[in-house]
Amino acid sequence: DTGVSQDPRHKITKRGQNVTFRCDPISEHNRLYWYRQTLGQGPEFLTYFQNEAQLEKSRLLSDRFSAERPKGSFSTLEIQRTEQGDSAMYLCASSTDSEAFFGQGTRLTVV
Amino acid sequence: AQSVTQLDSQVPVFEEAPVELRCNYSSSVSVYLFWYVQYPNQGLQLLLKYLSGSTLVKGINGFEAEFNKSQTSFHLRKPSVHISDTAEYFCAVSVGRWNKLVFGAGTILRVKS
Repeated sequence: DTGVSQDPRHKITKRGQNVTFRCDPISEHNRLYWYRQTLGQGPEFLTYFQNEAQLEKSRLLSDRFSAERPKGSFSTLEIQRTEQGDSAMYLCASSTDSEAFFGQGTRLTVV
Repeated sequence: AQSVTQLDSQVPVFEEAPVELRCNYSSSVSVYLFWYVQYPNQGLQLLLKYLSGSTLVKGINGFEAEFNKSQTSFHLRKPSVHISDTAEYFCAVSVGRWNKLVFGAGTILRVKS
């Protein structure tokens, strides 16, 4: 499978716990994005990497969120001290100059 | 700032009928435009894109869209829908130096038999 892969697909966690999600982009894509999608809404941009450099972060990305892309390959998104408001689908995408390819997402439920 | 408005939150339609899902955008600069489809608990799949050139764009699964610069619209159409087209559809614009996507709130297409 040469598409964008995200792991895990589903995560249930207790409020206050830390969670980490992984995204493996299409191998030849140097651009990688994270988006968050809440129920009934379109995805919202969180952050962007070009190779290993994180070049833009949305104001949606509070201090509890951190993203990395070591060596410009896979990326991780960590949420510390989760809150119920963090419950959402977290989508990763990698892109060419003109088209973004999305993974199937990680659905986070904070209880 | 760029924004995308999808004018209908839900569109019910009978099988084999035509459908149009409406999308308007606002931007002070040239943009790329996209339509994505999302099935339940899945990621987004690209239906079609407008980058430049012909304003009528054809995509997968028989969908097409027309870019209208004067009306800042990019409506999605299909002449005859199938039950399998039931899904949520998102219009998006690509903005900024990094081509991040700004999405509309989505339109749920419900195809009835």
